[in-house]
Amino acid sequence: GAGVSQTPSNKVTEKGKYVELRCDPISGHTALYWYRQSLGQGPEFLIYFQGTGAADDSGLPNDRFFAVRPEGSVSTLKIQRTERGDSAVYLCASSLAGKDGYTFGSGTRLTVV
Amino acid sequence: KQEVTQIPAALSVPEGENLVLNCSFTDSAIYNLQWFRQDPGKGLTSLLLIQSSQREQTSGRLNASLDKSSGRSTLYIAASQPGDSATYLCAVTSNTGKLIFGQGTTLQVKP
Repeated sequence: GAGVSQTPSNKVTEKGKYVELRCDPISGHTALYWYRQSLGQGPEFLIYFQGTGAADDSGLPNDRFFAVRPEGSVSTLKIQRTERGDSAVYLCASSLAGKDGYTFGSGTRLTVV
Repeated sequence: KQEVTQIPAALSVPEGENLVLNCSFTDSAIYNLQWFRQDPGKGLTSLLLIQSSQREQTSGRLNASLDKSSGRSTLYIAASQPGDSATYLCAVTSNTGKLIFGQGTTLQVKP
């Protein structure tokens, strides 16, 4: 596609539920990044993929968060047992090879009630 | 652990003023530094990218400088316009490809 697509754009879920957030990167981009942004803050790094593998997952806050990229293209961020503190905008970005040329999606706004 | 700090957190200026946004980072072993713009409810748009070997980059009314040894960068906006109102984010890329952001500076340019 022409840009990075994130779905859904908005997600409201109840505390304790499981959610999946999807990111479709630009075709051919090998690097994919997930960030979490709370109101008034900069994006917080979660995880970075090169191809199918997680090159750096040091930003995942705890074991409720998990991300996959099985075919080196689409990525899914999975959050188990959601908590109200997980409410934020989740941003995805892709890059041809990493380190520059990042394109960001418009984000998924997750609200946990 | 790399930490990126931006000062000020918010800035309000009248139209036409020149202004400077500041960014500092704790680990000078960076691959590059970028400045992004974020409009409310939108994704991020890259404005300028400075490679670690460069000192500055310019695009139109924007000029970004990098002093890697001191861990500092500035974004200079000349002749500010109301359309420049947005949040400006500084981000550094590590040599392993990890991109770390500052908290951002929210700019308001008043007509």
